Amino acid sequence: EPEVTQTPSHQVTQMGQEVILRCVPISNHLYFYWYRQILGQKVEFLVSFYNNEISEKSEIFDDQFSVERPDGSNFTLKIRSTKLEDSAMYFCASRAGTRGYEQYFGPGTRLTVT
Amino acid sequence: LAKTTQPISMDSYEGQEVNITCSHNNIATNDYITWYQQFPSQGPRFIIQGYKTKVTNEVASLFIPADRKSSTLSLPRVSLSDTAVYYCLVGDISGAGSYQLTFGKGTKLSVIP
Repeated sequence: EPEVTQTPSHQVTQMGQEVILRCVPISNHLYFYWYRQILGQKVEFLVSFYNNEISEKSEIFDDQFSVERPDGSNFTLKIRSTKLEDSAMYFCASRAGTRGYEQYFGPGTRLTVT
Repeated sequence: LAKTTQPISMDSYEGQEVNITCSHNNIATNDYITWYQQFPSQGPRFIIQGYKTKVTNEVASLFIPADRKSSTLSLPRVSLSDTAVYYCLVGDISGAGSYQLTFGKGTKLSVIP
């Protein structure tokens, strides 16, 4: 069964450093998402991406965040200058063109900012 | 996404059927009901989606009454591995939006041996 993969599974970085989280969505999916979940809290939407551009973003997704689909398979989330409060699980998700709320999530990257 | 209300937690013994009810009084005509499951330290997993009456797949059943103001996720004969948080989401799938998912706190199901 096809699945979304994410690397690394765990990333530790120092405050102020840049991090890139990587995702490989399911191959025939067209819509891509990043969500995050701070420990013990709700899953929060960050950004959606379609046709090589951002279609929607939340207030969390400020100028420190960017997304890119550098090739036909990868989807990345970059945080330019990490803060302590960026520590969270980051989930990538993808979906096919239909059934909008049927999204497939990756296993997540646990980001720890020290 | 329409506002939903579901119990914060539920306990069940192994082998029992579990029913988790979600209230969505303001559901709109084009809204569908979708349920996700999340295990600790894992991404949410799509379980089931429906519009009316009953939908069944290999994992669960979804019961939706005629007025659609609530829905019930039914898990048959739960096992310890069904211990997870279950989320109910309601939204319009007929348009061209980004379909971002807005998760609430969900229902934490604990299955007891």
